[in-house]
Amino acid sequence: DARVTQTPRHKVTEMGQEVTMRCQPILGHNTVFWYRQTMMQGLELLAYFRNRAPLDDSGMPKDRFSAEMPDATLATLKIQPSEPRDSAVYFCASGESGTGELFFGEGSRLTVL
Amino acid sequence: GDSVTQMEGPVTLSEEAFLTINCTYTATGYPSLFWYVQYPGEGLQLLLKATKADDKGSNKGFEATYRKETTSFHLEKGSVQVSDSAVYFCALSGSGAGSYQLTFGKGTKLSVIP
Repeated sequence: DARVTQTPRHKVTEMGQEVTMRCQPILGHNTVFWYRQTMMQGLELLAYFRNRAPLDDSGMPKDRFSAEMPDATLATLKIQPSEPRDSAVYFCASGESGTGELFFGEGSRLTVL
Repeated sequence: GDSVTQMEGPVTLSEEAFLTINCTYTATGYPSLFWYVQYPGEGLQLLLKATKADDKGSNKGFEATYRKETTSFHLEKGSVQVSDSAVYFCALSGSGAGSYQLTFGKGTKLSVIP
């Protein structure tokens, strides 16, 4: 069964530390999305890529967040330095452009103390 | 810009009750419409979709009809089960060039009690 794989599933860190989350999209999918989910804000789109090119990262705090796709099998989301307000579940999703259907990973739950 | 409005939850129903979760949208052109479901501790997964007006999407006993005249895509199920307890998200995908992303509603939490 093809699925989106995210690591780590859980991360607890201290304020100021660097956090890197990784995502392996489904083979053959050409779009990759990063979402953040909190109780207060719901689902927020942080960034997305098509054919590995960043199309929109306007939802991301630029001073501390960065998203990259070094190759077709890996997408990364980095936070440096992390802050308590970054505590959330971060989801990666992939899909084929034009279908509107996204396949989500199980998420990375981040807690920043 | 595009937007999706869902009824606020939480919604609590007894097993075998009828479910409706309202969803309305604002979009230019002819968007595709979706319902995603998120079970506890998991990511979202597609429940059903409709790509043009008057289409009915259905899956696992859930149904939703694309109503362009009322810009709505309400989710219904005739008899809910405890296993349907989850958060339900309505979403749309724009029809224009570059419409790669989904616009999600805020989600509606459903709890079904035995």
